[in-house]
Amino acid sequence: GAVVSQHPSRVICKSGTSVKIECRSLDFQATTMFWYRQFPKQSLMLMATSNEGSKATYEQGVEKDKFLINHASLTLSTLTVTSAHPEDSSFYICSARDQGQGYGYTFGSGTRLTVV
Amino acid sequence: GENVEQHPSTLSVQEGDSAVIKCTYSDSASNYFPWYKQELGKRPQLIIDIRSNVGEKKDQRIAVTLNKTAKHFSLHITETQPEDSAVYFCATTKTGTALIFGKGTTLSVSS
Repeated sequence: GAVVSQHPSRVICKSGTSVKIECRSLDFQATTMFWYRQFPKQSLMLMATSNEGSKATYEQGVEKDKFLINHASLTLSTLTVTSAHPEDSSFYICSARDQGQGYGYTFGSGTRLTVV
Repeated sequence: GENVEQHPSTLSVQEGDSAVIKCTYSDSASNYFPWYKQELGKRPQLIIDIRSNVGEKKDQRIAVTLNKTAKHFSLHITETQPEDSAVYFCATTKTGTALIFGKGTTLSVSS
């Protein structure tokens, strides 16, 4: 089945630094990748939708200059949290839809970001 | 945009009892309704899904019903077991767009 590999699984960084999270579709072409953020004991909140070769579409309230999304190829999308602060600490998870599998949505394994 | 309401937020049942979680949605164009189970720190796992042209779907102890007119769908778990304890999320989407999730239900099954 469709697999999305997400790295790193955990990262701790200092305030003010940037962190890059990668999601790769291993056995299908992900023309669209969705990025979510999940705070403890809360739901998955959609941050942005990225389409290969074009600019990402951000949800209301998500700062596009802080959360940089790049989707340069059909198999790789990256989320960079710039100038991270403790309030950015969260679980970030990507999802892609394998169009060859109908409605199936595949999730990465998630990245636990802690900003100290 | 789409708005998904999920109830209850917590649900405690005895082993062997049934559990029902309900969701309502706002966008009448939504056409796919999956349910996910999520363990702490893990990715959501699809447990069952239903498309808009179907009213009910069952997979062993799990079933989902959809009422498109009322814009609500429900997850039914029968003969609950302790290992069913987890957080459950409903979600909706329309073709090609992102999944929008409900706020989740923490199910506790006590033996």
